[in-house]
Amino acid sequence: DAGVIQSPRHEVTEMGQEVTLRCKPISGHDYLFWYRQTMMRGLELLIYFNNNVPIDDSGMPEDRFSAKMPNASFSTLKIQPSEPRDSAVYFCASRTFPDGSNTEAFFGQGTRLTVV
Amino acid sequence: AQKVTQAQTEISVVEKEDVTLDCVYETRDTTYYLFWYKQPPSGELVFLIRRNSFDEQNEISGRYSWNFQKSTSSFNFTITASQVVDSAVYFCALSEIFTTRDNYGQNFVFGPGTRLSVLP
Repeated sequence: DAGVIQSPRHEVTEMGQEVTLRCKPISGHDYLFWYRQTMMRGLELLIYFNNNVPIDDSGMPEDRFSAKMPNASFSTLKIQPSEPRDSAVYFCASRTFPDGSNTEAFFGQGTRLTVV
Repeated sequence: AQKVTQAQTEISVVEKEDVTLDCVYETRDTTYYLFWYKQPPSGELVFLIRRNSFDEQNEISGRYSWNFQKSTSSFNFTITASQVVDSAVYFCALSEIFTTRDNYGQNFVFGPGTRLSVLP
C-alpha cells in the first residue's frame, strides 16, 4: 500500500483565495483525521470521520474551514477565504481496528500551506 | 483541559546520555490507548509504540523503553545512550473511545511535543 497520500505537498496562495487540500487514506481504513500543525499550537485535531461520516468537528477553527469525505478513498479540507494565520502544515491520517484491536494512526507527508 | 501534557518543551543532552520524556494524560475512559510518535527534522510523523490501558507492562525496544503507570496517568519514554539521530520532536498521543446518543468514535489527540536535541 502506498500509505496515506496528501496533495499538494506545498501550496502558496494569496489571502482571500480558496484553498483545497486533498487526502487519500489507506485502503480499508475506516477512520480519517485532519490535523493542523503550527509552532504556537502544536498538532491540533481539526476533524475526524468514521466510515465517511464526520464524528467530531469541534477542532475546526472557524466557518471558513470545511471538510468532506464523499467516499472511503477521498477527503478534502477547504479553507475559504484563506488568511495568513492559516499558514501551517496540514496532516491527514487514517487508521482502522482489525479484530477489535487498536492501531496507530498512519500519517501522510503533510501539506505545507502558506497564505501571503 | 488538555488531555495530554508533555511538560518538557525542549531537552538538550549530550550524545550517549540517557533521556526520559514525560507524558501525562487525562481521561475518564477505562479503555483507551496511548502512543508515541517521532517527528524528525524532515517533518514526517513516525509511529514508535502503542499501549492499551489494560497492559501496564513496560516495553523495551533496542535503546527505547516505555514506562506506563495508570496510577499516575503517565506514559514516559526513555532513550538510552542517545544518538544525534534521535534529535526530533516527540509526541505522546491518546485515543479514547466514546459513545453518545448519536455517535460512536475514537479520537486521537496529541500532546504539545518535546523537542529533543542530542549534541555530539
